Amino acid sequence: DSGVTQTPKHLITATGQRVTLRCSPRSGDLSVYWYQQSLDQGLQFLIQYYNGEERAKGNILERFSAQQFPDLHSELNLSSLELGDSALYFCASTRTGERETQYFGPGTRLLVL
Amino acid sequence: AQKVTQAQTEISVVEKEDVTLDCVYETRDTTYYLFWYKQPPSGELVFLIRRNSFDEQNEISGRYSWNFQKSTSSFNFTITASQVVDSAVYFCALSEADNAGNMLTFGGGTRLMVKP
Repeated sequence: DSGVTQTPKHLITATGQRVTLRCSPRSGDLSVYWYQQSLDQGLQFLIQYYNGEERAKGNILERFSAQQFPDLHSELNLSSLELGDSALYFCASTRTGERETQYFGPGTRLLVL
Repeated sequence: AQKVTQAQTEISVVEKEDVTLDCVYETRDTTYYLFWYKQPPSGELVFLIRRNSFDEQNEISGRYSWNFQKSTSSFNFTITASQVVDSAVYFCALSEADNAGNMLTFGGGTRLMVKP
């Protein structure tokens, strides 16, 4: 158990809908990362937050957004969902956000029908 | 730009065989970090090891060992006397110290199947 929690574990929704994925980092970690794992794109970095502020951005679609709250949990919002958004979404956390090992949560499996 | 290549998409071995998973990376930075993660059938990503670019010492942890060679930009992972529980997808990843953040670039993964 990495100490990173993600909810829900599974999510099934329809095209055009909006969903929110939630992540709680390990106790004391200030930085949260989001990754998407899909069959065609592999594991890709989406976005990083550090202590409430956006730190780095990867291949995140404009339909996707994220935020980190004062209690350090983070949410990834996916809107106008398409079939291709079906994937496993991982959250990871580190203490400072730099040069550290990322510990991953169990992931949220999203299926868009 | 950083890149990680795991040329072996799938490897199948019989229990107790040794197996090596290859990882080749590309980076322009002199300071960087390399990682291996394991993804068992249950889906979670489990951290195995981290090396920094200044430490080329090989590492052994039980049946696992890692061979880091800067001259060939490789960070290979060997499992000795494989077991069925080793069946998983293994990912090699790279993080450059000069990144604004700490993002990981993953290879495509190698699916290891260990048969009894």
